[in-house]
Amino acid sequence: DTGVSQNPRHKITKRGQNVTFRCDPISEHNRLYWYRQTLGQGPEFLTYFQNEAQLEKSRLLSDRFSAERPKGSFSTLEIQRTEQGDSAMYLCASSLGGYTGELFFGEGSRLTVL
Amino acid sequence: GENVEQHPSTLSVQEGDSAVIKCTYSDSASNYFPWYKQELGKRPQLIIDIRSNVGEKKDQRIAVTLNKTAKHFSLHITETQPEDSAVYFCAATSTSGTYKYIFGTGTRLKVLA
Repeated sequence: DTGVSQNPRHKITKRGQNVTFRCDPISEHNRLYWYRQTLGQGPEFLTYFQNEAQLEKSRLLSDRFSAERPKGSFSTLEIQRTEQGDSAMYLCASSLGGYTGELFFGEGSRLTVL
Repeated sequence: GENVEQHPSTLSVQEGDSAVIKCTYSDSASNYFPWYKQELGKRPQLIIDIRSNVGEKKDQRIAVTLNKTAKHFSLHITETQPEDSAVYFCAATSTSGTYKYIFGTGTRLKVLA
């Protein structure tokens, strides 16, 4: 499968713990996005990278959230000191650079904070 | 800030009827408007998109229209089939700016057989 892959697919954690999600984009894609989706809502923008540079981060994102994309390949999203409100599906998507618009989504990482 | 509003939130139609979903965007710099379909438990997938230099685009049973002046765009599905049942999301972005895609809140379409 050469699509976007995310892991773990499911994560259950206790409040206050740290969690990290990984995303492997389609290999030739230089843009990588993180979105959060809760039940009945559309994907909410968190941050995005062009190659290894993090170009924008949502103002809604607290300092507990951090993302990296070393060497412009895979990306990690870390949530520190998790809260119950962080429970959601975390979606990663990638796209080619330039004028091409299509986002290719991964299957998501579902976080449950107890 | 940027915002995309989507209506209705749920839509039920009889098989064979048409369905229309509408979105309004706030950022006048937006010039690319994709529509994604998300089936239960699956990832969103692009079904059609439109750029700001055209007013309408059609692909078999689905079409999208864009009114730049009013800042709204719509998805039209004709001759609906049960397999069209899913959640549909509109989005808007600027391909000359930050490439940040803002999604609508989604429309759950149910096609009744």
